[in-house]
Amino acid sequence: QVQLQESGPGLVKPSETLSLTCTVSGGSISGDYWSWIRQSPGKGLEWIGHIYNNGGTTYNPSLKSRLTISRDTSKNQISLRLRSVTAADTAVYYCARERPERWLQIIDYWGQGTLVTVSS
Amino acid sequence: EIEMTQSPAALSVSPGEGATLSCRASQSVASNLAWYQQKPGQAPRLLIWGASTRATGIPARFSGSGSGTEFTLTISSLQSEDFAVYYCQQYNSWPPKTFGQGTKVEIK
Repeated sequence: QVQLQESGPGLVKPSETLSLTCTVSGGSISGDYWSWIRQSPGKGLEWIGHIYNNGGTTYNPSLKSRLTISRDTSKNQISLRLRSVTAADTAVYYCARERPERWLQIIDYWGQGTLVTVSS
Repeated sequence: EIEMTQSPAALSVSPGEGATLSCRASQSVASNLAWYQQKPGQAPRLLIWGASTRATGIPARFSGSGSGTEFTLTISSLQSEDFAVYYCQQYNSWPPKTFGQGTKVEIK
């Protein structure tokens, strides 16, 4: 059973960088796809992007200019960095596994989520 | 970006009754659609993928249908644990993968 746990600061100041880590157990991040998804009252569920088995990444075009998703295979962790945040980036951030199905990926396991508030 | 529209926004149902939730895509997503259930304070849980395949451990009272742009999630005989918010999500054309805004199933 794959388990994911997000961690990081719950409060970030406007214009600063939001940094989160997801620790994965029960599965290796060297396989499958691993994604970040956020949920806010205003925008609902929003797919942020994913990192896949060779370390490549795909990002939501609306966030691409501010976003970096990376991984540390030695720690079985994936990370999210979102630069120049504003109040609109306030959300619950989830990490999730995307299981390959043919040439596509299905989001099947989710972490419990972590609330990040952008405020001075 | 493919827009997913769910209807209704909220649905009041008595326990034991059935519920039908709809999801429409702004362009065809073939059968590459998933349904998720979310309860307060919890992460979404995968119910259905491939428009109609139940995920592991999901009861048979949940069924999905549709293809192209029109999809339906049917819950037969609602149990107390089924009252939640349900989201559809397309994974056919990305980035980005997109979600509907959700349908809240409430106790009548």
